[in-house]
Amino acid sequence: QVVLVQSGTEVKKPGASVRISCEASGYPFSRHHIHWVRQAPGQGLEWMAWVSSGSDEPKYSQNFQGRITVSKDTSANTAYMEVRSLRSEDTAIYYCGRDFGWSIDYWGPGTLVTVSS
Amino acid sequence: QSALTQPPSASGSPGQSVTISCTGTSSDVGAYKYVSWYQQKPGKAPKLMIYEVTKRPSGVPDRFSGSKSGNTASLTVSGLQAEDEADYYCNSYGAGDGWVFGGGTKLTVL
Repeated sequence: QVVLVQSGTEVKKPGASVRISCEASGYPFSRHHIHWVRQAPGQGLEWMAWVSSGSDEPKYSQNFQGRITVSKDTSANTAYMEVRSLRSEDTAIYYCGRDFGWSIDYWGPGTLVTVSS
Repeated sequence: QSALTQPPSASGSPGQSVTISCTGTSSDVGAYKYVSWYQQKPGKAPKLMIYEVTKRPSGVPDRFSGSKSGNTASLTVSGLQAEDEADYYCNSYGAGDGWVFGGGTKLTVL
């Protein structure tokens, strides 16, 4: 079965960076894009970026352009997202998800990132 | 790119039907067939309920249906059940920014 496993909870100080991982299993990793979506406490979903299943360049939301980098290691079936220059407003649950025809059919459990001084 | 517009809340009694709207623009909802809907219960990751405007993934009850007219997509839940109480989010592919979500609708089963 398809499973996405994300790295654990992070607590960071303002200005720091965080790298979140998303390890996929149960399907050919190279056949599906991976999306990154976040949800601030009590708020809605916000799409951040996707990393292509192939050789296409990643696509970033304009809201995060220049502050995040997504990547993948196909040999490890793992996608990554780095968020830099963290601020308190970046406190959120960060989800990875498997693309299915421009929807997300499988979601990771989420990684809580807390930014606090 | 602005978020898609959803009503903040919706409600209905068990057995009734409820429709949740999702309004975008001619650059996202109106331009592509890639509208999807997600159900999210407290403390859980979202769950895909509808993709490509009208299609249901395996395992999603046929009480859930999707449609689109112009720049507005809709999710209809027929025969409401207590277990349908959740937050619902629409999502569309869009020119320029790639993807955009709606602000979410809290569905209450009375």
